[in-house]
Amino acid sequence: DAGVIQSPRHEVTEMGQEVTLRCKPISGHDYLFWYRQTMMRGLELLIYFNNNVPIDDSGMPEDRFSAKMPNASFSTLKIQPSEPRDSAVYFCASSPRLAGGPYEQYFGPGTRLTVT
Amino acid sequence: AQSVTQLGSHVSVSEGALVLLRCNYSSSVPPYLFWYVQYPNQGLQLLLKYTTGATLVKGINGFEAEFKKSETSFHLTKPSAHMSDAAEYFCAVSDRDNQGGKLIFGQGTELSVKP
Repeated sequence: DAGVIQSPRHEVTEMGQEVTLRCKPISGHDYLFWYRQTMMRGLELLIYFNNNVPIDDSGMPEDRFSAKMPNASFSTLKIQPSEPRDSAVYFCASSPRLAGGPYEQYFGPGTRLTVT
Repeated sequence: AQSVTQLGSHVSVSEGALVLLRCNYSSSVPPYLFWYVQYPNQGLQLLLKYTTGATLVKGINGFEAEFKKSETSFHLTKPSAHMSDAAEYFCAVSDRDNQGGKLIFGQGTELSVKP
C-alpha cells in the first residue's frame, strides 16, 4: 500500500493567491482528516469526512478555507485568498472504520505551505 | 470535553538512558489512548495504542506505555535511548463513543538524544 499521498509536498505562493492542497487516502478507509501544524498552535484538526461527507468543520479557521471530497479516493483543501498567517504544514490522514474502534489514523507526509 | 496534557515540550536524554515522556488526559470515561511519533519533515506515525485489557502496551522501536486510570496517565517509556529516537512525540485520545474517530492531540514533546 502506498499510504496516504499528498501533493504538492512544498508550495510557495504570494499573498492573495489561491492554494489547493490534494490528498489521496488509503484505499478502503472511510474517514479522512485535514490537520494544520504550526509552532505556535501545534497540531489542529481542521475538518474530517466520513464516506465523503463532511462531519465536523469546526476547526476551519475562516471562510477562506474550504474542503471537498468528491469521491472516496480524493480530497482537496483550498485557501482563497491565502495570507502569510496560513503558512504551516498541512497533513491529511485517513482511517478505517473498525467495529468497536479505535480508529487508528494514518498520516500523509504533509504539504509545507509558505505564503509570502 | 476531553483534553490531553504533555508535560515538557522538550526532553533531552543521553544515548542509552531511560526515556520518559509524560501524558495526562482528562475524560469522564477512560478513552482510547495513542502515542504517535513524528520524525523531521515527515507525517505522524503510530507508536502504540491502548484500547482495553492489559494496561502495559508495547509498541514499535522498543517503546511501551502504561495506562493508569487512577492517575489518568499514559506515559511513554523506553529503557535505552538511541540516537534514532530523536523526534517529536504526540499523545492523543479518542472518545470511546468514537464520533468519527476524532483524535485530540497533546502539544507534543520534542525528544533530543545526546551522544
